[in-house]
Amino acid sequence: DTGVSQDPRHKITKRGQNVTFRCDPISEHNRLYWYRQTLGQGPEFLTYFQNEAQLEKSRLLSDRFSAERPKGSFSTLEIQRTEQGDSAMYLCASSSTSARDTQYFGPGTRLTVL
Amino acid sequence: GNSVTQMEGPVTLSEEAFLTINCTYTATGYPSLFWYVQYPGEGLQLLLKATKADDKGSNKGFEATYRKETTSFHLEKGSVQVSDSAVYFCALFNTGTASKLTFGTGTRLQVTL
Repeated sequence: DTGVSQDPRHKITKRGQNVTFRCDPISEHNRLYWYRQTLGQGPEFLTYFQNEAQLEKSRLLSDRFSAERPKGSFSTLEIQRTEQGDSAMYLCASSSTSARDTQYFGPGTRLTVL
Repeated sequence: GNSVTQMEGPVTLSEEAFLTINCTYTATGYPSLFWYVQYPGEGLQLLLKATKADDKGSNKGFEATYRKETTSFHLEKGSVQVSDSAVYFCALFNTGTASKLTFGTGTRLQVTL
């Protein structure tokens, strides 16, 4: 069990560019979550998947954001036409169905939009 | 809705001092409660959890008791170390309303020699 991994760890981009992040959950976990954390705040929920189905999306997830989990394993989060307000830490977490309240987090991807 | 309120930091303590970080919550039903710890530049690590009233979660010398009557889940440690310096987040998971964790704003702990 290698834990949740995320790639890249850091991303610097210019306003208006598109970015994509990847998350690999713990292998036996079928639930995968994305959160966003801004400086000095707790993580805020964005969306979650059970297997390949996206079951819930937050109002924070504007139409510039899209997430996929095509084969029920890894997931990607894409942000189109990035804005400076998108600068944040993007955290991925996973859990099993039997213990869905217990989520394990990856190291996060820190996005800086210039 | 669900919400978590933590005491504001930073909390600055000398090594071997007693730690309390207060956490209260608002939720319908019977949420599970968690403490996560975040070291600089890293993601969140699960520290401990409690799933029902009067449960005590414990790990690495930290403990917290689920108090339904006061809707609280205060984090305590008897003797802190410099290596405990981090940001601590209280969170709840409410199976009745959504499948997400709701976090407090975090409390920064700084332990000095």
